[in-house]
Amino acid sequence: GAVVSQHPSRVICKSGTSVKIECRSLDFQATTMFWYRQFPKQSLMLMATSNEGSKATYEQGVEKDKFLINHASLTLSTLTVTSAHPEDSSFYICSARRTGGEGTEAFFGQGTRLTVV
Amino acid sequence: AQTVTQSQPEMSVQEAETVTLSCTYDTSESDYYLFWYKQPPSRQMILVIRQEAYKQQNATENRFSVNFQKAAKSFSLKISDSQLGDAAMYFCALFYNAGNNRKLIWGLGTSLAVNP
Repeated sequence: GAVVSQHPSRVICKSGTSVKIECRSLDFQATTMFWYRQFPKQSLMLMATSNEGSKATYEQGVEKDKFLINHASLTLSTLTVTSAHPEDSSFYICSARRTGGEGTEAFFGQGTRLTVV
Repeated sequence: AQTVTQSQPEMSVQEAETVTLSCTYDTSESDYYLFWYKQPPSRQMILVIRQEAYKQQNATENRFSVNFQKAAKSFSLKISDSQLGDAAMYFCALFYNAGNNRKLIWGLGTSLAVNP
């Protein structure tokens, strides 16, 4: 099966610093990757759709300057939380759709628990 | 607008029994897919089952099956012979192929407890 690796799984950072989260598709090419945020016992909230070689599409209400997304290759997308604050603490999940896959399921990374202190 | 509704925030079932999780959705698209995902305490999202809207036959994966009622826009998940490892959050999701805006629409989830 397709594997998506997300790193780090946990990170603690100081307020005001930036944190980068990586999402890699290990055994397939992903034209599109998705970044989600999930609060405790809640559903997934789509933050942005990341397309290889082009700018990410952000959902309404998500600050693009705060959550920088780069999708430089068909196997790697990164989310950088800039100038992190305690309210950015959350669980972040990436997922990837296989290139050329019509209607195929999205494969998910393990998630990253971000704690800003 | 596309929406997914899971009306049961929490459910419980006895081990070895059967439980049904409900999901309704709304979409004006004709080409779409429905999924059930499981999120155990590890928080890794796991695909349970998928259904193509154009298929009339209900999808089945071992102990998991769906009741897909297209006209009623209903997509319930039945778990048979429940096991302790089935305890998790279950999310119903809708994916539609609409131009360049393809994404999953998520329900709020149902927390399933399995009692020994």
